[in-house]
Amino acid sequence: GAVVSQHPSWVICKSGTSVKIECRSLDFQATTMFWYRQFPKQSLMLMATSNEGSKATYEQGVEKDKFLINHASLTLSTLTVTSAHPEDSSFYICSAKPPLRAGNSPLHFGNGTRLTVT
Amino acid sequence: GQNIDQPTEMTATEGAIVQINCTYQTSGFNGLFWYQQHAGEAPTFLSYNVLDGLEEKGRFSSFLSRSKGYSYLLLKELQMKDSASYLCAVRGSNYQLIWGAGTKLIIKP
Repeated sequence: GAVVSQHPSWVICKSGTSVKIECRSLDFQATTMFWYRQFPKQSLMLMATSNEGSKATYEQGVEKDKFLINHASLTLSTLTVTSAHPEDSSFYICSAKPPLRAGNSPLHFGNGTRLTVT
Repeated sequence: GQNIDQPTEMTATEGAIVQINCTYQTSGFNGLFWYQQHAGEAPTFLSYNVLDGLEEKGRFSSFLSRSKGYSYLLLKELQMKDSASYLCAVRGSNYQLIWGAGTKLIIKP
C-alpha cells in the first residue's frame, strides 16, 4: 500500500533555532500534501495545504513566515519551523493523497514528528 | 459554520460491541472517514462512506445517513488493542477534511 515517510520522528531544539521536517511519498506521486499539528489529547489541526510547484495555502491563524512549506517535487514536501519557541512544541503530522481514485482515496499519514522546543 | 460532533470518551468491555456516533454540519459533503489513532501515533484509515448505508469490514462497520448528517462506527468483539482515539472526518465542498475532536475509547477487561 501507499506509504508516507516523515523524518525526523522526534526532535529537540533550542528556542530560536529552526527545524525542518520532511514528508515523502514513497510509492506514489502526491501533488498535494497536508500538514497538521496536534496538541496532546486534541484532534488534528490542519495548518496548510502544500501544492507541488506552487505556494502553500495556509489556514487562518497559521503564520506562513514562521511555518515555511516547500513542495519542490511530487514526492517531497518540507515544513520548516523558524525561530522555534516552546509554544511550538507539538506533534506535527503530514499526509498525502494518492492521485488515483481521488473521490474516496483516504489520506496516508506519515508517522509524525514530535517537536520539543526548550 | 462547519461542525463535527462526537463523544469525548467512551468505555466498553473486552468482547463487547460499541458504537461511536458522529454528527456533522458542513458546507458540502464529499465523503466521511473514520480513522483510528493510538496515543503518540499518526492516524490510520478505517473506513470511508459516501453513500447512505452500512459498510462492513471485519470487526468494524461504518454507517452513514446524509439526510441526518450522521454516521457511526461500530466495533464488535472488542479487543484491548482497540483502545485508541477514533476520529471522524468529513470531506467538505472544497475537498478539504474537517476533523472531529475524536472519541477516546477505553476498553476494560
